[in-house]
Amino acid sequence: QVQLVQSGGDVKNPGASVKVSCKASGYTYTSYGINWVRQAPGLGLEWMGWISTYNGNTKYVQKFQGRVTMTTDTATSTAHMELRSLRSDDTAVYYCARDNCSGDNCYSALWYWGQGTLVTVSS
Amino acid sequence: ETVLTQSPGSLSLSPGERATLSCRASQSVSGSYLAWYQQKPGQAPRLLIYGASSRPTGIPDRFSGSGSGTDFTLTISRLEPEDFAVYYCQQYSSSPKTFGPGTKVDIK
Repeated sequence: QVQLVQSGGDVKNPGASVKVSCKASGYTYTSYGINWVRQAPGLGLEWMGWISTYNGNTKYVQKFQGRVTMTTDTATSTAHMELRSLRSDDTAVYYCARDNCSGDNCYSALWYWGQGTLVTVSS
Repeated sequence: ETVLTQSPGSLSLSPGERATLSCRASQSVSGSYLAWYQQKPGQAPRLLIYGASSRPTGIPDRFSGSGSGTDFTLTISRLEPEDFAVYYCQQYSSSPKTFGPGTKVDIK
């Protein structure tokens, strides 16, 4: 069965960086893209961007441009999301979620989700 | 960017009642690329509806989606105790793939 298992929670100081990992299993990793979504405490869902696990192409939301990097490691079937220059309002649960199609022009809902990783930014 | 608005913000109903949730887009969602998700406290969201009206395998048929263009609806025909949760719509026809703010369905 499809599983996305994320790394554990982390506490960071303002200005630091965090890297969250998402290990996939149960399917051919390079066949489907991975999205990253975050949710601040008590608030709604915010899509951050997407990476093609096939060729590494990325799409980022403008507000995160310059601060976020999404990468993929086909050897370990793992996607990573690094967020830099952390601020207190980056405190959130970060989710990875899988598409159900492949390619840069894939139109897909988010079919499978990781369990979430809580990142707390506090001095 | 396509902005999604959900109404009502919250809904208090009893088990067995019908729930009707609305999602309105600021511009037309092409291809009816509109999804609905259910989220319970402390859990990741779960996909309920994709393509505005299709259910993934395993989603009960009491959940149904409809609509096109800018107006979409999620209907839960008879609420079960496990259906009390927050529901989000999402459009994936254009980047960024935006979410609505959510509708909370709680027990009356």
